[in-house]
Amino acid sequence: DAGVIQSPRHEVTEMGQEVTLRCKPISGHDYLFWYRQTMMRGLELLIYFNNNVPIDDSGMPEDRFSAKMPNASFSTLKIQPSEPRDSAVYFCASSSLDLAKNIQYFGAGTRLSVL
Amino acid sequence: AQSVSQHNHHVILSEAASLELGCNYSYGGTVNLFWYVQYPGQHLQLLLKYFSGDPLVKGIKGFEAEFIKSKFSFNLRKPSVQWSDTAEYFCAVNARSNYQLIWGAGTKLIIKP
Repeated sequence: DAGVIQSPRHEVTEMGQEVTLRCKPISGHDYLFWYRQTMMRGLELLIYFNNNVPIDDSGMPEDRFSAKMPNASFSTLKIQPSEPRDSAVYFCASSSLDLAKNIQYFGAGTRLSVL
Repeated sequence: AQSVSQHNHHVILSEAASLELGCNYSYGGTVNLFWYVQYPGQHLQLLLKYFSGDPLVKGIKGFEAEFIKSKFSFNLRKPSVQWSDTAEYFCAVNARSNYQLIWGAGTKLIIKP
């Protein structure tokens, strides 16, 4: 398996623009997690899905952030409108209780810079 | 609420020194325990895990961790570090009854050549 695939790897945008980050989990994994990592706040869980259904979005910072998982092989994290304080590395991870015993496998991340 | 505490935010060691990174968690029930490593500019990777059985767990690259249930601890150790161990190390815990991982704040380890 190719692992968790995220795109784009780098995104530079201007304040106010819409940003969409994409994630393809490992095939067969039924949990998907979105994290944000910054120097100031460390690693933060934003939202996670089980079988494509959002389970806990309490980590989503505000209404400008939204996440969807239309099917088992694809998820998006959208920021609209983006702000400079959203600059961070966004990681997607997937897991499976059956296949992976709750070991989370991380993608390479998307480094977002909002100017 | 569950929480994970990593004792040191930054650790600087010379090559060949011994390493111990502390991790304590707060939860009274049965847990799964993890250490992840993030090398500079890379994503998090699993270093080792404990689910059950022998409380001394061996992971990749010579790392090991010991689960001490009475102390709610899962400290990471390596007898002799190398420059390539420079990375950030994260401890994570989940209760068997709850799927969500609770993460420590991370410890940045710098190895001086």
